[in-house]
Order: sequence, then C-alpha cells, then structure tokens
Amino acid sequence: NAGVTQTPKFRVLKTGQSMTLLCAQDMNHEYMYWYRQDPGMGLRLIHYSVGEGTTAKGEVPDGYNVSRLKKQNFLLGLESAAPSQTSVYFCASRPTGRSVGNQETQYFGPGTRLLVL
Amino acid sequence: DAKTTQPNSMESNEEEPVHLPCNHSTISGTDYIHWYRQLPSQGPEYVIHGLTSNVNNRMASLAIAEDRKSSTLILHRATLRDAAVYYCILRPTIYNQGGKLIFGQGTELSVKP
Repeated sequence: NAGVTQTPKFRVLKTGQSMTLLCAQDMNHEYMYWYRQDPGMGLRLIHYSVGEGTTAKGEVPDGYNVSRLKKQNFLLGLESAAPSQTSVYFCASRPTGRSVGNQETQYFGPGTRLLVL
Repeated sequence: DAKTTQPNSMESNEEEPVHLPCNHSTISGTDYIHWYRQLPSQGPEYVIHGLTSNVNNRMASLAIAEDRKSSTLILHRATLRDAAVYYCILRPTIYNQGGKLIFGQGTELSVKP
C-alpha cells in the first residue's frame, strides 16, 4: 500500500493563479481531510469529507474549495491564490467509525509545499 | 472544542526516558486523548491514544490522570529519531463532527546524543 499520497510536492504560484492539490489514498478510507500548516504552528483543518460526494468546512475554509468525486481522491482547489495561502498542505484519511468511542487514527500524506508570490 | 496546553519545547538525552506533559482541564467525558508526532519535513503520525486507563504500545506509554485533566506521554528510551514535535489532541467521539483533530502548537522535543 502506498498509503496517502499528495501531488505535487512543491509548487510556486503567482497571486491570482489557480491550482488543484490532489490527495489519493489506497486504504479504502471513508474520511479524508485537508490541513494547512504555517511556520511554527500546528495544523489547521481546512475542509473534510465523511464519504464520497460529501464535503464540510473546517476551521479555515475561506479561499479554498474541495471535491470528493471518488472515494479514494480528495481535491483541494485554490481559485485565486493569495500570498496568505503560502503554507504546507497536508492531507489525511481514516476509516469510518459510526459508534461513540470509535478510535480510528488519521494517516497523513507527506505534504505539499506551496509558495504564492 | 476543548483545548490542550503543552510546553513549547523539551530536551532529553539519548536512551533516557522522556515525559511529555499535557494539560486539558476542559476535557469532556467523551473526548479521547490522542498523541501525534511530526518529524522534520514530514506529515504527522499517530503515536498513541486513550480514554481513561493508561495505555502502552510499541512506541510509547500514555498515563492519564484520574480526573482526566492532564496526561503524560512517556517515551521509555529516547533515540535521535524521536526528535519531533509532539501534539496532544482531544478528539471528540461524536460521529457528526467527522472525527476532527484540533492541533495545538505542540512540544518540540530535541534529543541529545
């Protein structure tokens, strides 16, 4: 199993450009997440999905859109990049747990480093 | 969401035990305590989790206070590869919250040879 993979590893954008970050997992996990991490800080949740065709907002969703057309893929889009979106983006996935007390852990990808000039 | 408080940094010597503290005084009865760590230039990885009882696995031990307002991650013999940022996270178990993890700033652990 490759686990969670992210494409691309690094990207430089100019302000106003658009791009899509791809996250793929081969573990048949239901839940997927997009986080961003700014220097010296912990991760902040952007959007997440609890299953194919569903998405929900996290802590910092503004300026981002997401789609989950296939169970194994979770796409993060920046329609008009801004310098404030310079960050490292991490994707994660975990299996579903529908009962109170579920204990599934999240599996993280290696990250995408994005620089917006 | 209940919050956690951790020291910004800690130092340890190689092959000695390390105790990483975490305070979570506003924890609710259904919050699990999770620990993740992030090695340099990598994504976070799961370390251990617990609810009320102390837990052990191959990576670490988790000691949870009786009132659950604090916990301690124990690395029994620190190695240079354990140098990382360690995050203590309270994870709600309510299904409709999507199992979100709320990361704090974590504790940066450095290990000296």
